Amino acid sequence: SAELTQDPAVSVALGQTVRITCQGDSLRKYSGSWYQQKPGQAPILVIYGDNNRPSGIPDRFSGSSSGPTASLTITGAQAEDEADYYCNARDASGTRLRVLFGGGTKVTVL
Amino acid sequence: EQLVASGGRVVQPGGSLTLSCEASGFSFKNYAIHWVRQAPGKGLDWVALISYDGNIEKYADSVKGRFTISRALSGNTVDLRMDRLTPEDTGTYYCARNYRPYSNYDCWLTTWGQGTLVAVSS
Repeated sequence: SAELTQDPAVSVALGQTVRITCQGDSLRKYSGSWYQQKPGQAPILVIYGDNNRPSGIPDRFSGSSSGPTASLTITGAQAEDEADYYCNARDASGTRLRVLFGGGTKVTVL
Repeated sequence: EQLVASGGRVVQPGGSLTLSCEASGFSFKNYAIHWVRQAPGKGLDWVALISYDGNIEKYADSVKGRFTISRALSGNTVDLRMDRLTPEDTGTYYCARNYRPYSNYDCWLTTWGQGTLVAVSS
C-alpha cells in the first residue's frame, strides 16, 4: 500500500541510542529521507537518500534502509534531539507521483 | 538560503486563497518546489510539487482539481492557488525545495519556509 508507517512514540535515556523505523512498500524502490520537527518550528532535513546527512547535521544521526524498512538512529541522544521525526519517500508509477510522509514518531529524551 | 511563505488567513468554506512562497539566497530556478501542510496537532501532509522548469505539476489526491501550483519563468516565487476550500484544508502550509538541483523526483525536502496559517471556517 502507498503508506509509510511509524511508531507513534519512543523514549530514550540521555546519551543512549534510539532507532526509529518507517515501513512502506515505496521504500523498496525509492530512497527515503527523515525530518526533525520541534514544536512551533518548520521541519529540518536530517537524512536524505537513506543514509546521507546534510551539512550541519550532527553525526550522531544516521540512516539505513533494507527492503520496505527505513531507519533513523540517534547515537548518544542529547536533550535537544527531543522532537517529532517524520520519514518520507515518493510513490510513483507511470506519470503518477505522490510524496508520502509517515505519521511521525515523537522522541522523548529522559 | 530562505523560503518565506505568505498569504494565509481565515477564509470561509467554499472560498479561495492564494499562497506565495518567495525564495532568496539560492538559485531558485534550479530547484523543484513543494507545498506541504500540517493540520493543528497532526503530521505532515504533502500537497503539491512544481518542477524546476515549471513544466511538471503534481498534486495530492485530496487537492487535485481544487489547488493549482505555479511559478513564473522569471522571478523567485511559487504560488499555490486554492479553490473550493473545506475545513479539512485548515493548517499551516509550508513551502520547501528539493535537496538536489535539476531533480524533480527525489522529494528530499530542505530549506523549509516558516509556514503560513490557513483557517477555513465560517
